[in-house]
Amino acid sequence: SQTIHQWPATLVQPVGSPLSLECTVEGTSNPNLYWYRQAAGRGLQLLFYSVGIGQISSEVPQNLSASRPQDRQFILSSKKLLLSDSGFYLCAWSVEVLSSGYTFGSGTRLTVV
Amino acid sequence: KNQVEQSPQSLIILEGKNCTLQCNYTVSPFSNLRWYKQDTGRGPVSLTIMTFSENTKSNGRYTATLDADTKQSSLHITASQLSDSASYICVVSGGNNRLAFGKGNQVVVIP
Repeated sequence: SQTIHQWPATLVQPVGSPLSLECTVEGTSNPNLYWYRQAAGRGLQLLFYSVGIGQISSEVPQNLSASRPQDRQFILSSKKLLLSDSGFYLCAWSVEVLSSGYTFGSGTRLTVV
Repeated sequence: KNQVEQSPQSLIILEGKNCTLQCNYTVSPFSNLRWYKQDTGRGPVSLTIMTFSENTKSNGRYTATLDADTKQSSLHITASQLSDSASYICVVSGGNNRLAFGKGNQVVVIP
């Protein structure tokens, strides 16, 4: 069966520090991978998605970047965090790109102080 | 304007009671609609998926309905339990890589 792992679960980082969140999928090949951010009282905002190794699509201009160094690995990064980067970050995968059939990771609560 | 509107934004219900959550969408063309349950601090988990031809689908105490003509869906929770306290998110797929998320219905079940 397919599983998705996302870590860390919580993170407190100072403004200006770097960020690296990792997501891995097991039990499937060539998944479509996604990073979403969820702010309090707001819906899920798509940040990045990837249909293959090295292929990254960015949905909104921002202080973050994503990389896919391996087929089942998706990394969300920042060189210098801003206060506005605080939020709940979710990794997800799907068989069909941008289809509603997502399997989400357990999320990372990022607080920038 | 958001293509998926959910109501009520939040709801408090007594344990054992029923409740109904609404999702109205404008996404067109329509491919499918899913309801997700998101426990606090966790990732969303799919409850049901409905395509154009399906009017109702159940998953245990959760029953989803779809009216593709009026572009409305509902999620009915029967005999609520404390573990039903969560955010319920409606997600509509329009095909061609178009996906729209609602902001969620926050449900709190109290004993």
